[in-house]
Amino acid sequence: AQSVSQHNHHVILSEAASLELGCNYSYGGTVNLFWYVQYPGQHLQLLLKYFSGDPLVKGIKGFEAEFIKSKFSFNLRKPSVQWSDTAEYFCAVTSGTYKYIFGTGTRLKVLA
Amino acid sequence: DAGVIQSPRHEVTEMGQEVTLRCKPISGHNSLFWYRQTMMRGLELLIYFNNNVPIDDSGMPEDRFSAKMPNASFSTLKIQPSEPRDSAVYFCASSTGERSTNEKLFFGSGTQLSVL
Repeated sequence: AQSVSQHNHHVILSEAASLELGCNYSYGGTVNLFWYVQYPGQHLQLLLKYFSGDPLVKGIKGFEAEFIKSKFSFNLRKPSVQWSDTAEYFCAVTSGTYKYIFGTGTRLKVLA
Repeated sequence: DAGVIQSPRHEVTEMGQEVTLRCKPISGHNSLFWYRQTMMRGLELLIYFNNNVPIDDSGMPEDRFSAKMPNASFSTLKIQPSEPRDSAVYFCASSTGERSTNEKLFFGSGTQLSVL
């Protein structure tokens, strides 16, 4: 069965610090990968996605993610976080079906 | 478009009562998903439909949970009888169901369920 692992459940950073959130998935075939973000009081929204092509994907608000097929990973990065990045981040995968499988989420708190 | 619409936003009920959550997907979307969010387990997929047909309900916790999609614009998730451990935020999401790079999920605002 497909699964998604997010190893960091809670991350606390100061503004301007660099961010990397880990995401690993278990599936041997072709996958589509996503990062969704849930800001406080808001519903989930798409941050970025990978379908094919360049494994380095750039999303909104300065976020990027790199797909490393050999490591089954799709880590999210941002060089310099802001207080407004405080949110919960979810990694998700689909694999040729309609089924989106999400990780357990990482709660990021950025201190001003 | 108003987006994915869920109702109610909040539901407080007593153990043993029936709870019905409602969802209206985005018009033209062919796939609909029900997720449950808890602190311990994050976002769990409960069930998803494609063209109103349930495709995979393996995430439904037990027989107390049931979901229907009688038409393309409406779905319900029912819990009967409800238990305190069902307390969570329940999200509905929809997508076009296409195999394209435009594919993504659109989420509703969720229903915060508290079972006392």
